[in-house]
Amino acid sequence: DIQMTQSPSSLSASVGDRVTITCRASQTIVSYLNWYQQKPGKAPKLLIYAASNLQRGVPSRFSGSGSGTDFTLTISSLQPEDFATYYCQQTYSSLTFGGGTKVQIK
Amino acid sequence: QVQLVESGGGVVQPGRSLRLSCAASGFTFDNYAMHWVRQAPGKGLEWVAGISNDGSKKYYADSVKGRLTISRDNSKNTVYLQMSSLGAEDTAVYFCAKDARTVADYFDYWGQGTLVTVSS
Repeated sequence: DIQMTQSPSSLSASVGDRVTITCRASQTIVSYLNWYQQKPGKAPKLLIYAASNLQRGVPSRFSGSGSGTDFTLTISSLQPEDFATYYCQQTYSSLTFGGGTKVQIK
Repeated sequence: QVQLVESGGGVVQPGRSLRLSCAASGFTFDNYAMHWVRQAPGKGLEWVAGISNDGSKKYYADSVKGRLTISRDNSKNTVYLQMSSLGAEDTAVYFCAKDARTVADYFDYWGQGTLVTVSS
């Protein structure tokens, strides 16, 4: 099974900060990597699919990059509504989520 | 617009069975794969099962193989998750999710979830 490791598991940041979250796969997943945002008590929301494609309606401050085993989600200027938990997901072989990264207010 | 509404959750005793349903609307249901994802209290997301658009292919996480069964009725725009031999480890919110393709790819819409609590 492919394991997905996210880092950090949590971070504290301020509004306006640039935030980068990393996701590493235990083997190559090409570009079969998606990113989701989840707020407490709510369903996850798709942000990025196929590593770097912005889902319709998602603000352009979110971006994704990477291929093979190493991927990043970047928020260029953190907004108050971005405080949430972020998950990566691989769909190359079966499906696996990363453990999540909680973005908190500094 | 796309809507996914889960139902069937509740409190169930260990060892018993439960069937979850997810009613879909707002899109051509039989064009897309569907999935179930669960989240134990205070924990991360765990994909548990998926089914192709026509129901011919079914996929399961190793942790649930043999105990959970996914199915769909395209005439009713509904996907199901039959759960048996439930244990405390199955306590979670269960989300239904729509795939963007006919087989597993990415999940572009999610329901609000239904809580399953396994307890005596």
